[in-house]
Amino acid sequence: NAGVMQNPRHLVRRRGQEARLRCSPMKGHSHVYWYRQLPEEGLKFMVYLQKENIIDESGMPKERFSAEFPKEGPSILRIQQVVRGDSAAYFCASSPPTSGSIPEQFFGPGTRLTVL
Amino acid sequence: AQRVTQPEKLLSVFKGAPVELKCNYSYSGSPELFWYVQYSRQRLQLLLRHISRESIKGFTADLNKGETSFHLKKPFAQEEDSAMYYCAPIGPSYLVIGTSYGKLTFGQGTILTVHP
Repeated sequence: NAGVMQNPRHLVRRRGQEARLRCSPMKGHSHVYWYRQLPEEGLKFMVYLQKENIIDESGMPKERFSAEFPKEGPSILRIQQVVRGDSAAYFCASSPPTSGSIPEQFFGPGTRLTVL
Repeated sequence: AQRVTQPEKLLSVFKGAPVELKCNYSYSGSPELFWYVQYSRQRLQLLLRHISRESIKGFTADLNKGETSFHLKKPFAQEEDSAMYYCAPIGPSYLVIGTSYGKLTFGQGTILTVHP
């Protein structure tokens, strides 16, 4: 099992462009979380998705940010019209479904977004 | 608001010395607490969770509800313990569409360096 995959690992965009970050969960995992780490800060929750459903997007900025997890393919975090303040490391985590205790989240290596 | 404080950004000890990484949280209800670790050039991974009451790699962490703390301890530090450590409460937990999930809230992290 290759673990959670994220690509690209590094992404450079100019202000106003769009950024697309991809996350492939671990095999057998159908739940995906996105976290953002701004410089000098801890990771902050953005959104939680299951296949074809956004379950909790309470941490997503109201504008320009969107996420999806289609039936086929990776989860995508999309940032439209990027600004310098979007420069950060974006981490994806996946977990298996469970109705018991809260499942462990397995993290990907992250995508480092730099906005020029 | 839910908050996590790791007061030490950097912590240096010598090999064989005891080490304690501090974590204080501000949460309503009964959060579940985790310690995550990131070794050099590796992804974030779970070190331990308080409900399991395990000792992982010689580390233990006791939840003190009175002091709202979850300090990570090891009696004899090793050089391979050098890493970034994050305290991460999760809570509240939710049950949605028959499955449990929780949002991790990360502290700023403590960089532990163990000198030979």
